[in-house]
Amino acid sequence: AQSVAQPEDQVNVAEGNPLTVKCTYSVSGNPYLFWYVQYPNRGLQFLLKYITGDNLVKGSYGFEAEFNKSQTSFHLKKPSALVSDSALYFCAVREDYGGATNKLIFGTGTLLAVQP
Amino acid sequence: ETGVTQTPRHLVMGMTNKKSLKCEQHLGHNAMYWYKQSAKKPLELMFVYSLEERVENNSVPSRFSPECPNSSHLFLHLHTLQPEDSALYLCASSQDFSDRTYEQYFGPGTRLTVT
Repeated sequence: AQSVAQPEDQVNVAEGNPLTVKCTYSVSGNPYLFWYVQYPNRGLQFLLKYITGDNLVKGSYGFEAEFNKSQTSFHLKKPSALVSDSALYFCAVREDYGGATNKLIFGTGTLLAVQP
Repeated sequence: ETGVTQTPRHLVMGMTNKKSLKCEQHLGHNAMYWYKQSAKKPLELMFVYSLEERVENNSVPSRFSPECPNSSHLFLHLHTLQPEDSALYLCASSQDFSDRTYEQYFGPGTRLTVT
């Protein structure tokens, strides 16, 4: 069964420093991977996705993510954090082949806190 | 967040009440979803509709009843809820349910409190 793990409940980073939010996954076939962000009292907003091709994916608000097949990871990164990046980040995975379901499976979320 | 809208944004209801949550998507998508978001838990997929036909029903109690009258509108009818049903209920849509490359777009959610 497919699954996704976000090992850190919270990540703290100073404004201007690079940030990384970790995600690992488990699927039987090839993964389709997604990152979403949730600001307080808001729904989830799509940031970026990996389907195929270049392992480095660029998305909204200066975020990027690197797909690493050997480590089954899809970490979210940003070169320079902003206070406004503080939010809850969700990684999600879906398998690429037919099966009983093509549900999108979400991690438990990582709270990113950027200090001024 | 004009792509997917949800009303009401906040709802407080007693256990004997009947209420409905409404979702509307303005993106021309064919699939719509209901999720439940509780603190410290992964998002729980409740229902999926594709072209107005229900394609997923993940063991959700019958006190939650979805309705999809057309591809733009989705409702979640609530009756005789329990306090543990208090959560943020999120609606989402995607271009196509069967194409696994498509991302989902979420509404702002309805914060439900059951007293």
